[in-house]
Amino acid sequence: GQQLNQSPQSMFIQEGEDVSMNCTSSSIFNTWLWYKQEPGEGPVLLIALYKAGELTSNGRLTAQFGITRKDSFLNISASIPSDVGIYFCAATGYYNTNAGKSTFGDGTTLTVKP
Amino acid sequence: SQTIHQWPATLVQPVGSPLSLECTVEGTSNPNLYWYRQAAGRGLQLLFYSVGIGQISSEVPQNLSASRPQDRQFILSSKKLLLSDSGFYLCAWSVTNYGYTFGSGTRLTVV
Repeated sequence: GQQLNQSPQSMFIQEGEDVSMNCTSSSIFNTWLWYKQEPGEGPVLLIALYKAGELTSNGRLTAQFGITRKDSFLNISASIPSDVGIYFCAATGYYNTNAGKSTFGDGTTLTVKP
Repeated sequence: SQTIHQWPATLVQPVGSPLSLECTVEGTSNPNLYWYRQAAGRGLQLLFYSVGIGQISSEVPQNLSASRPQDRQFILSSKKLLLSDSGFYLCAWSVTNYGYTFGSGTRLTVV
C-alpha cells in the first residue's frame, strides 16, 4: 500500500533556530499537505500543495511539493516556543478510489527550548 | 462556515462496557467522514471512512464499528470495550483534495 516515510521522528531545538522535516514515498501523489497537532487537540491544516514543484509559504512556514511527486518538505524559520507540537505530512494519490482520502506520515515531534 | 463537533472530550469506561462516540459536521454537504485513533505521542491510525450515508469502509479489523445514519453524522461504537481500545479518537471530514478538518478529539481510557 501507499506509505509515507516522515523524518525526523523528533527534534529538540533552541528557540530561534530553523527547522526542516520531510516526507518521502515510493508512490506518486497529486496533493501534499502538512498539519500541526498541539497537545490534546486534533491536527490543523497548515499548508496544502497541489502542483509538482510548488513552493508555498504560510508565515514562517514554507513547504514544497517535490518535482518527482514522491516527496515534500516543511521548513519553519526562526522557531518560537508555540511551534511545539507534532507535525504530520499527508498525501492524496491518483489511485485512491475515494477522492480526498489521505495517507499520513507518522509525525515529527518538535520541542523548542526557550 | 464549516465546523465539526466531536463529543465527549474525555471518557473513562470499564472493560466490557459499550461505547458510542458521535461526530457531526456543519456547513457542508456530502462530506467524506473519517475516524482515526492515535496512541500517545504516535501517528494516526485510520479506523473507518465513509463517502455517504450508510457507506462504511473499515481499514483494520478490530473491536469497533462505525455508522453514518445521516449525511453529516458519524458514530463510532463498540459493544464491549477492551483495554487496548484506549486512545485518542479523532473524527475528520474532507471534500475532494482540500485536506481534512479534524475535530478536537475524545480521550478514551478503558479501565
